[in-house]
Formats: sequence, structure tokens, C-alpha cells
Amino acid sequence: GAVVSQHPSWVICKSGTSVKIECRSLDFQATTMFWYRQFPKQSLMLMATSNEGSKATYEQGVEKDKFLINHASLTLSTLTVTSAHPEDSSFYICSARDGSSGYEQYFGPGTRLTVT
Amino acid sequence: RKEVEQDPGPFNVPEGATVAFNCTYSNSASQSFFWYRQDCRKEPKLLMSVYSSGNEDGRFTAQLNRASQYISLLIRDSKLSDSATYLCVVTGGSYIPTFGRGTSLIVHP
Repeated sequence: GAVVSQHPSWVICKSGTSVKIECRSLDFQATTMFWYRQFPKQSLMLMATSNEGSKATYEQGVEKDKFLINHASLTLSTLTVTSAHPEDSSFYICSARDGSSGYEQYFGPGTRLTVT
Repeated sequence: RKEVEQDPGPFNVPEGATVAFNCTYSNSASQSFFWYRQDCRKEPKLLMSVYSSGNEDGRFTAQLNRASQYISLLIRDSKLSDSATYLCVVTGGSYIPTFGRGTSLIVHP
């Protein structure tokens, strides 16, 4: 149980384009989903927290107009990187939490984004 | 002071060794504690939750010391496959998880 999928697993896009990443909880209802970014050899950085049906809460320094998060259902959250730049190239990981069974998070496999 | 601190290591140990990591946290109101394992270029995977009474899962033992505000992870009889980065995660009153930067473990033959 507690499987989280993420799609796509990797993507290459050109500067100025937008990229959408999907995060799905496959066998549980995710009341809360988290989006992280991780640069090589660095720790996970929390970007935002999203609760189903409400607006995401962004961490300080993360532009909400650039990183659009939608959590429309209990099993799906999406992150859209708008007008991508090369410095947005990173490993984006989502995690999901089933609030009814504790505070453990289960992570998706991540999406490696390269902006050229 | 960072909210969650870990020694980044690396801890370099031979197979069969016992190794322990500590993680300190600054928020005394923290409620939930976890150890995750992350392999290179992969997502973190939950290793174990940490309970006040301590818990053990095979070769892995986790302890929580609320008075001194730290959690620990003990790995016995280390295997080559234990080589990874071990992340400490603390959840406070806001239920937002805070990650440590991880401790790197290298187990060599």
C-alpha cells in the first residue's frame, strides 16, 4: 500500500515553455500533498503544501505565479512550472499523506526537469 | 540554529559494523518523527517512524529523546545495501514536515 506515482519521470523543455507534473496517490486518499525540489547533492527543499480543495501554501521565496499547484481531488495534485528557465532544472518530488493514518509521507519517484 | 540538524557524514563503515546517527530538532512542540532513506537520484523512502518508546525493525532501531530533543537511528550488522543517505524528518504543530539535510552512509566490503 501507500503508493504514489509521478508523471513524467523526466522531461526536457525549452526556455519559456511550461511543464506540468502530476502526482497521484494510487491506493489511498491524500488529504495533503507536498511538493519538493532537490538540487544535486543538496537536501530536499519544500516548495509548497497543498490540501485538497484549497489553495496551496507556498514556502518563503517560492513564486506562486511561477509554480502553479492544483490539488483538485484526493488522489491528484499537479505542479506546473510556467515560463521555465534553465535555473528551474531540478529534481521535483511530490509526497502525499493520508491524514487518517498518521503523519507519514509517501514519495513519488520524482521528475527530473531539464530546461535548455 | 536550524530546525532539524544532522551530521552530513559520510560515515564510512565496514560490512557487519554497527553505526548510529543522531538528529537534533529545535521545536520542543514537535510531534512526529521519522527516518527516511534516500538513494542517489531516487525519491526518499520511509524507513521507520520513531515513537517515544522506541522501535525496532530487524537491524534498525530508532529512539526518541524528547528531553534532549534528538532522535537516533542504529543500524546493526551493516550491509552493502545500507549505503544511502538517511534523512531525519520532524513534524511540528503545523503538521508541515521538516527535513534534515541527511547523513550519508557508505558501507564497504
